[in-house]
Amino acid sequence: EVQLLESGGNLVQPGGSLRLSCAASGFTFSSYAMSWVRQAPGKGLEWVSAISGIGSGGTTYYADFVKGRFTTSRDNSEKMLYLQMDSLSAEDTAIYYCAKARGQLELSDFDKWGQGTLVAVSS
Amino acid sequence: DIQMTQSPSSLSASVGDRVTITCQASQDISNYLNWYQQKPGKAPKLLIYYASNLETGVPSRFSGSGSGTDFTFTIRSLQPEDVATYYCQHFDSLPPTFGPGTKVDIK
Repeated sequence: EVQLLESGGNLVQPGGSLRLSCAASGFTFSSYAMSWVRQAPGKGLEWVSAISGIGSGGTTYYADFVKGRFTTSRDNSEKMLYLQMDSLSAEDTAIYYCAKARGQLELSDFDKWGQGTLVAVSS
Repeated sequence: DIQMTQSPSSLSASVGDRVTITCQASQDISNYLNWYQQKPGKAPKLLIYYASNLETGVPSRFSGSGSGTDFTFTIRSLQPEDVATYYCQHFDSLPPTFGPGTKVDIK
């Protein structure tokens, strides 16, 4: 059974940093693209970042609103996905979900989702 | 970026009713369109991919159709457990944007 478990969400001050983790199990992690999708309180879903599978070079992609501030990485040996978040602002307050793509490529449906981890940016 | 719109933004229907949600893309996305269900306090769940393919394990009362810029999501016979917000999402190009959602509840 595919499982995704996020962790690392917390309350952080504006300008601060946070690292989110997503532990994957139940599938060949390295073979699939992974994404981060966020949801601000009471709002809709917003794609944040993706990283392609090993066969597509593990290339990273970012939404314009996080470029230069967030970094996505993966450790295929540990089946872990990470999101390093720097220069956080109140607008980054959201539940962050990791989501598995159907295949290697970053453009896909998201066929499995984690339960999410809450990031709150406030002084 | 490709913009996605959905209508209606919310609806209320009776158990057993047929429910239809539409999603429109700001440009041609072929069939690169997915539908998700999100129940309150839960993560989204994939229902339909590539516009009309039913995800494994999803009840057959859910269906999707369309191509190009106009898409439709249908619940053939609304059930109490279908109370949720439904989102469309394109994956034609980066960024893969979501529609604003349609909240469905029981009358």
